[in-house]
Formats: sequence, C-alpha cells, structure tokens
Amino acid sequence: EAGVAQSPRYKIIEKRQSVAFWCNPISGHATLYWYQQILGQGPKLLIQFQNNGVVDDSQLPKDRFSAERLKGVDSTLKIQPAKLEDSAVYLCASSSLSGGAYTQYFGPGTRLTVL
Amino acid sequence: AQSVSQHNHHVILSEAASLELGCNYSYGGTVNLFWYVQYPGQHLQLLLKYFSGDPLVKGIKGFEAEFIKSKFSFNLRKPSVQWSDTAEYFCAVGSGGYNKLIFGAGTRLAVHP
Repeated sequence: EAGVAQSPRYKIIEKRQSVAFWCNPISGHATLYWYQQILGQGPKLLIQFQNNGVVDDSQLPKDRFSAERLKGVDSTLKIQPAKLEDSAVYLCASSSLSGGAYTQYFGPGTRLTVL
Repeated sequence: AQSVSQHNHHVILSEAASLELGCNYSYGGTVNLFWYVQYPGQHLQLLLKYFSGDPLVKGIKGFEAEFIKSKFSFNLRKPSVQWSDTAEYFCAVGSGGYNKLIFGAGTRLAVHP
C-alpha cells in the first residue's frame, strides 16, 4: 500500500512570496490533516478535512494560509504572503478508522525555508 | 487547553541499556495515545498506540508503553536499545471524533555502539 505522498520535498522562498504544497493521501482515507512542525517542536495541527469538508481549522492563520481538498482526495496548502516565521516542515497525514479510533499516517513533509 | 509533556529532550544511551521515555498529558476526557518515531532522514512512523483495553501495549521493534490513567502518563520503554533506535520520539494524545492529535515536543535519542 502506497503511503502519503507530498511535494515538493524542499522549498526556499523569500518573504512576501507565495508557496503551495501538495498532498495525496493513502487510498481510501477520508480524513486528511495538515501539520506545521517548527524546528525543535512537535507537529501542530493546522487544518483537518473529512472528505472535502473542513472539520477543524481553528489553528490555521487564515489571513495568510489557505487549504483545499476539492474532490475529497488530494489537498493543497497555500501560504500567501510568507513570513520568516513560516519556516518549518509542513506535514500531511491521512487516517482510517481502525479498532474504534482513527490512526494517522504521515507523509515525508515539505521543508520550507523563508529568507 | 490540552497539552503533552515529554520530560527529556535529549537522551544518550549505550547499546543494550534500558530505555524509558516519559510522556504526560493534561486532558480530562477520553483519550487515545500514540508514540511516533522519526528515524534520521525518514518520516514520522507509528510505533504503537493505545485505544482501550490492556494498558500495556506492545509496538514494533520491541517497544512497549504503559498507560497509567491516574497519572495521565503513557511512558515508552524498551529493555535493550540498539544503535538503530537512534531517532526522535514523539508522544501524541488524540481526542474527539476524528482523533485530533496534540504532540509533545519530542525526545531525541542517541544510542552509542
């Protein structure tokens, strides 16, 4: 079974530029998550989708971050404009219901550097 | 607000030493508990999980964890570590219908041969 795919793996941009990340979840996983992991910290949830609907975006900085999952499969996360503090690894995860609860599986992440 | 605390940020052990990594959480409701591992250059992988039942759970590669509800703890253990266990370990607590995860800051383990 293929895992969660993400691209690009690395991205370097200057502040005030825009950037987009792509995620393809594990086949059949209806729930998809985007996390931000700043160096030295654990991942922090930004947004969670169930199919193509948003379940939780309470920690998404909506003035600059946006995400969509139009057909309930692939998802994109966009930052516009980027700030220096957005430098982080952006992780995508998807989950399935197993044993009575959801277990999340993570992709390799996109490492963003904002100069 | 929920939080997850991992007591040790860096741990250095010699091969064959025993390992215990602490994890405490603050949340009064029903939780699901996870340990994830990130080997150098690789992505986060599930090590083990606890949903219900026996509070002692066994995961991959000889790891186990014990859920102690009264202490809000879910410590990770391994009786004898190997050099290949060098990695960063994250404790996570899930709650809610879709198991929203809150992660600890991680513990970086270095095992010397």
